[in-house]
Amino acid sequence: AQSVTQPDIHITVSEGASLELRCNYSYGATPYLFWYVQSPGQGLQLLLKYFSGDTLVQGIKGFEAEFKRSQSSFNLRKPSVHWSDAAEYFCAVGARAAGNKLTFGGGTRVLVKP
Amino acid sequence: DAGITQSPRHKVTETGTPVTLRCHQTENHRYMYWYRQDPGHGLRLIHYSYGVKDTDKGEVSDGYSVSRSKTEDFLLTLESATSSQTSVYFCAIGESSGNTIYFGEGSWLTVV
Repeated sequence: AQSVTQPDIHITVSEGASLELRCNYSYGATPYLFWYVQSPGQGLQLLLKYFSGDTLVQGIKGFEAEFKRSQSSFNLRKPSVHWSDAAEYFCAVGARAAGNKLTFGGGTRVLVKP
Repeated sequence: DAGITQSPRHKVTETGTPVTLRCHQTENHRYMYWYRQDPGHGLRLIHYSYGVKDTDKGEVSDGYSVSRSKTEDFLLTLESATSSQTSVYFCAIGESSGNTIYFGEGSWLTVV
């Protein structure tokens, strides 16, 4: 069975500082990996996704993520955060063989200090 | 934004009453999903559908049933609501290629 772990429940970062959110997954085959962002009271917006190929993936809003097979990780990064990046971030793993079902991590809530 | 509409968006109901949440899509996507979101658990899959009249259970399906009689509509029913089903419910849709899953805006359900 697939699983996703986001070790950090909360992260506080100063505006302008860099941000890295950790994601570790467990899956027997090559996974599809996703990062979603959720603002309070809103649905989930896709930031980026990895299916194959280049292990460094660029997304929207200046985010990027790196797939490291040896570490079973897919960490999300942003070089300089903005106050509008305050939200909850979810990592998810899926696969076509599993009916495209996604398994989510528990989420990381990001607070941005002025 | 993906054409997904969830209704109702907010509902308060009493324990033991039936509740149906509706998800309507305009994208003609094959796959549809119902997730629930609870603090600390992320999103967990309740049921999903891979075509009209084709549905299957997810990891937290107890107490829920679904139906899909048309490509565009996926209904989630709580036959007899319990307080443990107080949650935010998200519908999602996905293409046959499996490239991306898009989420609706959510339905807030409170069972009192």
